[in-house]
Amino acid sequence: NAGVMQNPRHLVRRRGQEARLRCSPMKGHSHVYWYRQLPEEGLKFMVYLQKENIIDESGMPKERFSAEFPKEGPSILRIQQVVRGDSAAYFCASSPPAGSTYEQYFGPGTRLTVT
Amino acid sequence: GNSVTQMEGPVTLSEEAFLTINCTYTATGYPSLFWYVQYPGEGLQLLLKATKADDKGSNKGFEATYRKETTSFHLEKGSVQVSDSAVYFCALFSGGYNKLIFGAGTRLAVHP
Repeated sequence: NAGVMQNPRHLVRRRGQEARLRCSPMKGHSHVYWYRQLPEEGLKFMVYLQKENIIDESGMPKERFSAEFPKEGPSILRIQQVVRGDSAAYFCASSPPAGSTYEQYFGPGTRLTVT
Repeated sequence: GNSVTQMEGPVTLSEEAFLTINCTYTATGYPSLFWYVQYPGEGLQLLLKATKADDKGSNKGFEATYRKETTSFHLEKGSVQVSDSAVYFCALFSGGYNKLIFGAGTRLAVHP
């Protein structure tokens, strides 16, 4: 059973470009979470999605950031017009359907560098 | 709001030494508590968990006990190895909030 997959693992963007980060949850998991880890810090929650629905986006910056989890395909975290402060590791986690959402399984992360 | 506080690192130990990494939390209700480990360049792996007061989580020689009276979930290992060198994160999940709340992480370096 493959784990949570994220790609790309490393992404370099110039200021002003767009970054698209992809996350494929574990098989059978229908809940996806995105977290951001700034250098030397813990992970901070960004958004929680189920298929075709954003459930909680209280941790998402108000501008330039968006997330989706379509009926088919991976979850996408999109950052428009990136700035240097967006440089971080972005982790995706997934969990099974309702009843055990406290156990989240993490992907290897995408390390975004903005130059 | 909910929060997690961990002891600051780095923690530097010799092989076979005893390890304690302190973790305390603030939460409403009865959260589930976790320790995650992050090896260099990798994602987080669930190390152990406890879902109610007095539960003891254990895995790979590590253990932690959910202490509601002191709101703590300290991580311990009796004899560390060089391969335990990593960053350790304490976290809580409070169902009504749909997310894990992480501490800042504690870096552990074990020397031969």
